Amino acid sequence: QSALTQPPSVSGSPGQSVTISCTGTSSDVGSYDRVSWYQQPPGTAPKLMIYEVTNRPSGVPDRFSGSRSGNTASLTISGLQAEDEAHYYCSSYTTSTSVIFGGGTKLTVL
Amino acid sequence: QVQLQESGPGLVKPSETLSLTCAVSGSSISSGYFWGWIRQPPGKGLEWIGSIYYSGSTYNNPSLKSRVTISLDTSNQFSLKLNSVTAADTAVYYCARVRCTSISCYVAGPWGQGILVTVSS
Repeated sequence: QSALTQPPSVSGSPGQSVTISCTGTSSDVGSYDRVSWYQQPPGTAPKLMIYEVTNRPSGVPDRFSGSRSGNTASLTISGLQAEDEAHYYCSSYTTSTSVIFGGGTKLTVL
Repeated sequence: QVQLQESGPGLVKPSETLSLTCAVSGSSISSGYFWGWIRQPPGKGLEWIGSIYYSGSTYNNPSLKSRVTISLDTSNQFSLKLNSVTAADTAVYYCARVRCTSISCYVAGPWGQGILVTVSS
């Protein structure tokens, strides 16, 4: 199984919005609401930010939102803050009952 | 508050078996969640290893499947064994709480702090 495709890096200024894409196939991203997103600041364990494409766990700011179109999912962060600087990973359950991750995207807040 | 803690040797020789344990506190491992292992090579991305339900059902990475054993231990712990390791298995290994439904599976958290395992002679 191949990793999901994410851009290596994105950047934005405080207060702006950024969107991170995650492209897979009809066997994973494009199949049901299977995509989740994780935030990983340097030196820490990842944290769940979005699950099942659009759902936010309790405690995650509503500045974080998810969507999907076909085989591509997206994470949008609005009102960028310095604390949002981190690596972001998408993930999807697959039809072969496994889980795959994207390669990760480094978000830089300028 | 649910907490997870990995333990095991930080150095394993090539061709040997990597063995890690994850101790769960604040929740029973028979609570309706899956319990999983994820790894991250230094400076690289995340890789799913597998997960286990209290019934014994597992969801494992097909590319690692023949080398991986995930099992439930006594005392609210679960473990990972990865055999025939090579330098490519050097990584930070995380244990975490996983939620799986009929259509989706994701790492709900919390995660352990991670343990660096180096494969070297």
